[in-house]
Parts: sequence; structure tokens; C-alpha cells
Amino acid sequence: GAVVSQHPSRVICKSGTSVKIECRSLDFQATTMFWYRQFPKQSLMLMATSNEGSKATYEQGVEKDKFLINHASLTLSTLTVTSAHPEDSSFYICSADPGTGSYEQYFGPGTRLTVT
Amino acid sequence: GENVEQHPSTLSVQEGDSAVIKCTYSDSASNYFPWYKQELGKRPQLIIDIRSNVGEKKDQRIAVTLNKTAKHFSLHITETQPEDSAVYFCAASTLAGTALIFGKGTTLSVSS
Repeated sequence: GAVVSQHPSRVICKSGTSVKIECRSLDFQATTMFWYRQFPKQSLMLMATSNEGSKATYEQGVEKDKFLINHASLTLSTLTVTSAHPEDSSFYICSADPGTGSYEQYFGPGTRLTVT
Repeated sequence: GENVEQHPSTLSVQEGDSAVIKCTYSDSASNYFPWYKQELGKRPQLIIDIRSNVGEKKDQRIAVTLNKTAKHFSLHITETQPEDSAVYFCAASTLAGTALIFGKGTTLSVSS
């Protein structure tokens, strides 16, 4: 149980275009999902916290108009990178909280974004 | 906000030796401390975690210790094996359902 998927696993896009990444909890409902960004050989940096049915909370320095997050259902959160630039190339990982009071979060497999 | 420091950034050991990775945190309200193993291009994998009401937890070759007074926690891997080679991250959070704040990671290399 507690499986989280991400789609796509890899995406290459041209500079200036937008890319949508989906994060799904497959066998549980996630009231809260988190989006992280990981540059090569670096740690996971929290970008935003996504709560179903409400606006996401962004971390300082993360542009909310550039990284659009939608958590429309209890099993799906999407991250859209708008007007992507090469510096947005990174590994994007989501995690989901099952809302059971357990501290453990479940991570998606990540999405490798390359902006050319 | 919470800040998690992790040391060392790289660690090389011989197969069979022990490895210790240490983390400190700044927010005294933090009470959940997981450790993750991440292989290149893959998701972090939870290997052990500890809550603040416990001082030590062990799972076979892996153990975690927590000192709440000093605000530090450590990962101990005994009898290391080449397949233990990976990047290890510590993290901290305050409440269930809140985000994890990660340390910068330790690249562990186990040579045979």
C-alpha cells in the first residue's frame, strides 16, 4: 500500500513552454501533498505544500506564478512549470501525507525535467 | 523555520566497518526524524525513523539515536556492505502532515 506515482517520469521541453507534472496517490487519499525540487548532487528543497481544495503554500523564494500547483482532488496534485527556462531543469519529487496522523510521507518516483 | 545540518558530506568506509552520519536541527518543536536512502535518479527510501519520545531505535544493521536536549540525531550503520553505498538524507518535521526539512545529504561509499 501507500503508493505514489508521478507522470511523466522524464520530460524535455523548450525554453518558454509550460510543463505539467502529475502526482497521484494510488491507494490512499492525501489531504496534503508536498512538492520538492532536487538539483544534481543536492538535497530535496521544499517548494510548496498543497492542500486539497485550497491554495498552495509556497516556500520563500519560490515564485507562485511560475510554479502553479493545483490539488483538485484527494488523490491528485499537479505542478505546472510555466515559461520554463534552462535553470528550471531539475528533479521534481512529490510526497503525500495520508492524513492518518502518521508522520510518514510517501514519495513519488520523481520527474526529471530538462529545459533546452 | 527549521534548519537541518548534516555531516559529513562524504563518507568512505571499508566493507564490514561501521558508518555514522550526524544531523543537528534548530527547531525545538521538531519531533519526527526520518532517515532516507536515495540512489541516483530514484525516490528517497525511508530506512528508519524516530519520534522524539524515543532515544534510540534499531532495525537490524541500522540504528538511530536522538538527543533532544542537544538537538541532534545520528544514523549508525554496522557491518556495511557495498549495496549500502548511496546518498543518505536526514530530515525533521514538527507535526504529522507537515513538510519534511532535509539535511544536505551524505554520500556513503562502501568499498569491498
